[in-house]
Amino acid sequence: DVKVTQSSRYLVKRTGEKVFLECVQDMDHENMFWYRQDPGLGLRLIYFSYDVKMKEKGDIPEGYSVSREKKERFSLILESASTNQTSMYLCASSLSTNGGYTFGSGTRLTVV
Amino acid sequence: AQSVTQPDIHITVSEGASLELRCNYSYGATPYLFWYVQSPGQGLQLLLKYFSGDTLVQGIKGFEAEFKRSQSSFNLRKPSVHWSDAAEYFCAVGSLDSNYQLIWGAGTKLIIKP
Repeated sequence: DVKVTQSSRYLVKRTGEKVFLECVQDMDHENMFWYRQDPGLGLRLIYFSYDVKMKEKGDIPEGYSVSREKKERFSLILESASTNQTSMYLCASSLSTNGGYTFGSGTRLTVV
Repeated sequence: AQSVTQPDIHITVSEGASLELRCNYSYGATPYLFWYVQSPGQGLQLLLKYFSGDTLVQGIKGFEAEFKRSQSSFNLRKPSVHWSDAAEYFCAVGSLDSNYQLIWGAGTKLIIKP
């Protein structure tokens, strides 16, 4: 089974801090995605990547950036964390020929 | 505009009763359809997917879904729910043309009555 691993389940950070959320998948998937999930708002796409060093903005990229230096790793960066970025962050990966996403367990980030 | 609608925010079902969760989509290309389940505090798990062929697809945990092109629907069913099925369920649509970037429904929270 493909495994998508998010480095932290829970994080608490201070306003203004630079925050790194790491995601690693172990099955050579081309596509990787970062979502945030908030009650009543569903899943919202932040950024995605179809290849190494490639990134595309999703629906809500403001305040975020990403890095994909290796195929298996896709990092989400909050340049200067703010309280409105308190959320559940979900990473996913997929094969271009398959379409189904495999999700990590999520990182619940609280910015205080 | 492309969209996925899950009309029920919450559904309450008695344990042992049958379940149907609704999903309607609006999509220009040939749709590929997915159902995912999310247990509290967890990531999403793929239950089943439809790409082509038989319009009734079987998934994990005893779930099935039927693709009805004429109704633009992909409803999820289970004949007899268990307390462990309590979770949030998400419908999603994508296509090969979009490189499988999925459009998500808002989710339906399933509550099981003992």
